Amino acid sequence: DQQVKQNSPSLSVQEGRISILNCDYTNSMFDYFLWYKKYPAEGPTFLISISSIKDKNEDGRFTVFLNKSAKHLSLHIVPSQPGDSAVYFCAAFTSGTYKYIFGTGTRLKVLA
Amino acid sequence: DAGVTQSPTHLIKTRGQQVTLRCSPKSGHDTVSWYQQALGQGPQFIFQYYEEEERQRGNFPDRFSGHQFPNYSSELNVNALLLGDSALYLCASYYFVQGWSGYGYTFGSGTRLTVV
Repeated sequence: DQQVKQNSPSLSVQEGRISILNCDYTNSMFDYFLWYKKYPAEGPTFLISISSIKDKNEDGRFTVFLNKSAKHLSLHIVPSQPGDSAVYFCAAFTSGTYKYIFGTGTRLKVLA
Repeated sequence: DAGVTQSPTHLIKTRGQQVTLRCSPKSGHDTVSWYQQALGQGPQFIFQYYEEEERQRGNFPDRFSGHQFPNYSSELNVNALLLGDSALYLCASYYFVQGWSGYGYTFGSGTRLTVV
């Protein structure tokens, strides 16, 4: 039962353009959603999060949008840079459960 | 300030053997979670340790066990290894407070386990 889904395994974007990574979930009990970035041979690094009571959160070039009715969230990266090339994981969390549920990841490649 | 450190970085084991992986949490963190990341998949929660006790467990068999020490470091033990146990094992730590919002999970670089 895949509660968090990232249906695009890969995405290529030109440098300077917008990257949009998508994530869908099925469990309406999730309280928080997070995006992690992972480079090869490194652990996932926290990028940005959003509470279920909000619909948008910005941090520099990164913005996460949450559509609760559609059970969908997206990460926008503007402008995209070659250093953003990595695997991006969407994760969800329910208060009191202490664990993250991760999606399968999307490999982003930003072309110079 | 050292982050989460895991050892070893890589190891190869034979089916049926036992393995122990180690994790030192980030300074100031008291809670350790273990995740298994199979190739092409996202990390899957194995269990979490807080105050030297297993607080929550994911859908993993009893062959997977763990321990947390008084200094908050942790071990993950896997018995009777199967080929399907080959994966990257990630340790994550944070400082627990009531009403924790899920923010601040810090991951280590992982241990790559190959079972042959």
